[in-house]
Amino acid sequence: GNSVTQMEGPVTLSEEAFLTINCTYTATGYPSLFWYVQYPGEGLQLLLKATKADDKGSNKGFEATYRKETTSFHLEKGSVQVSDSAVYFCALTPSGNTPLVFGKGTRLSVIA
Amino acid sequence: GAVVSQHPSWVICKSGTSVKIECRSLDFQATTMFWYRQFPKQSLMLMATSNEGSKATYEQGVEKDKFLINHASLTLSTLTVTSAHPEDSSFYICSARPRGSADTQYFGPGTRLTVL
Repeated sequence: GNSVTQMEGPVTLSEEAFLTINCTYTATGYPSLFWYVQYPGEGLQLLLKATKADDKGSNKGFEATYRKETTSFHLEKGSVQVSDSAVYFCALTPSGNTPLVFGKGTRLSVIA
Repeated sequence: GAVVSQHPSWVICKSGTSVKIECRSLDFQATTMFWYRQFPKQSLMLMATSNEGSKATYEQGVEKDKFLINHASLTLSTLTVTSAHPEDSSFYICSARPRGSADTQYFGPGTRLTVL
């Protein structure tokens, strides 16, 4: 079946530190991959996505590259800010009109 | 950008009552809407998928008679929690997939339900 595994949090970093949140997936076919972010008290927002192998999604300084050979889609940011504190969800959708499959989420806290 | 609203944003009700939550796509037509439930510090659990004009498809373990979903138009889906009990207290989130999009979903801000 389809599943997403992401590193468990919480992750606590100092401002301007480098961030990596690991995400690996299992899927049939060629899924599209996503990172969503949920700020405190808010709904999910799409952060970035990639739809095919070797694609790099990027937004707000965050990046993730679709690695088919390692079935991974790790999220990175070179210098985090306090405002990046949130829960980050890795997700996939198999080809076709199917629901998103989410990882369990990783809570990030950035301290000044 | 595409906006999805939910109403109410929070609700407190007594055990045994029913609660209706609305999900609206404000600036696009959504042929498919999804309802999720999120427990504290956990991921989103897909409850059901609803397509406009047809019956919702429920995930295994979700009681369709308890969680009534209606997708009456291309911009509105409702979730009714019937005879709510304290264990139904949760954060309910909807998302909407625009017409013609295979992998894009826009999420509502969620509804916090507390059943006393």
